[in-house]
Amino acid sequence: EPEVTQTPSHQVTQMGQEVILRCVPISNHLYFYWYRQILGQKVEFLVSFYNNEISEKSEIFDDQFSVERPDGSNFTLKIRSTKLEDSAMYFCASSTYANQPQHFGDGTRLSIL
Amino acid sequence: QQQVKQSPQSLIVQKGGISIINCAYENTAFDYFPWYQQFPGKGPALLIAIRPDVSEKKEGRFTISFNKSAKQFSLHIMDSQPGDSATYFCAAYVGGATNKLIFGTGTLLAVQP
Repeated sequence: EPEVTQTPSHQVTQMGQEVILRCVPISNHLYFYWYRQILGQKVEFLVSFYNNEISEKSEIFDDQFSVERPDGSNFTLKIRSTKLEDSAMYFCASSTYANQPQHFGDGTRLSIL
Repeated sequence: QQQVKQSPQSLIVQKGGISIINCAYENTAFDYFPWYQQFPGKGPALLIAIRPDVSEKKEGRFTISFNKSAKQFSLHIMDSQPGDSATYFCAAYVGGATNKLIFGTGTLLAVQP
């Protein structure tokens, strides 16, 4: 069964450094998402992306965050200057269309020191 | 109004018993209600989903019951097995204007042998 793949599985970064989290969505999916989950808390929406544009972003997704689809397969989340509170699991998801099931990857654990 | 309230926070069930997790919402614009299962170190995996024009959906041992007038929905796991031990998240989605999932706070289910 096709799946969403994310790399790396764990990223450790010094505060203030830039980090890029990578995702390969399911190949025929058109909508892409990033969510995050702080340890022990619920999954929170960050951003959705369609047709090479952000379609919606949450309050969490401030100017430090950006997303990009640099080629036909990858979807990336960049955090420009990481803060301690950015430490979380970051999940990528994709769906065929906007109101279709979203399928999640296994996440990248981001640890900010 | 964008929240989905989930209960209980944790649940212990004996093998063979029925696990019941409840969710409630306020926003009547929500039109798609998935349940996700998450094992430690993994991403949320879509388990079963329902749209508000249906009052019940069953897939194997998993059943969603939906009460549109009460704005509540629940997940029933029949014949619960130790392998069902995981965190379960309900979620809600608004089609059209937005394509983000709003997650509940999660229920940690432990099925004892």
